[in-house]
Amino acid sequence: SVVLTQPPSVSVAPGKTALIPCGGPNIGSLSVHWYQQRPGQAPVLVVHSDRDRPSGIPERISGSNSGNTATLTISGVEAGDEADYYCQVWDSSVDQGVFGGGTKLTVL
Amino acid sequence: QLQIQESGPGLVKPSETLSLTCTISGGPFISNNYYWAWIRQAPGKGPEWIGSLQLGVATYYNPSLRSRVTLSVDTSKNQISLRFNSVTAADTAIYYCARQVISGPIQWFDPWGQGTRVTVSS
Repeated sequence: SVVLTQPPSVSVAPGKTALIPCGGPNIGSLSVHWYQQRPGQAPVLVVHSDRDRPSGIPERISGSNSGNTATLTISGVEAGDEADYYCQVWDSSVDQGVFGGGTKLTVL
Repeated sequence: QLQIQESGPGLVKPSETLSLTCTISGGPFISNNYYWAWIRQAPGKGPEWIGSLQLGVATYYNPSLRSRVTLSVDTSKNQISLRFNSVTAADTAIYYCARQVISGPIQWFDPWGQGTRVTVSS
């Protein structure tokens, strides 16, 4: 089934833009969803269907998906954005949920 | 507001069966727009989908866990349950229950319960 690849870590200075990639063969043909997980907490959905934000998620968090890479973009990074981020797809060919390994975002 | 609460034993011995329950309140339990899912997260690892219940219709399992997992539902109590046979230390994880939002082939998990920590140890 689908395998999603994420870099273990991304570091960014406050106020800059963080780009968190999620790679997979032809992932652009799937819908990608993103979760934020702060230490000791359950994951929270921050983007679904490639680029849609649930209510309460700030506009500076956005998503895109094309070709072999989906990307979560966090603009104007703040200390509170420091967390683990996971991408996820539903592989409807086998009815299976798949998560990436996660990326730890560090705010310098 | 929808509330999802997992419950179960915090400690299970190797080779035994793990049983967990998820209670849903404050929102619809049966809907054409939602399934209910179990997801686990081992220490320091990413989430792993275990399986999903399409109430009254079908159950979907992670192929790598299928032989040891059973999902069930009690609609009278708004609960779903997970049974995991022959556990080993590798099954030590936080186990989450989540609502699975359905939009055709596009499906995501929102919200998640707070999770219940399970340790497999003698």
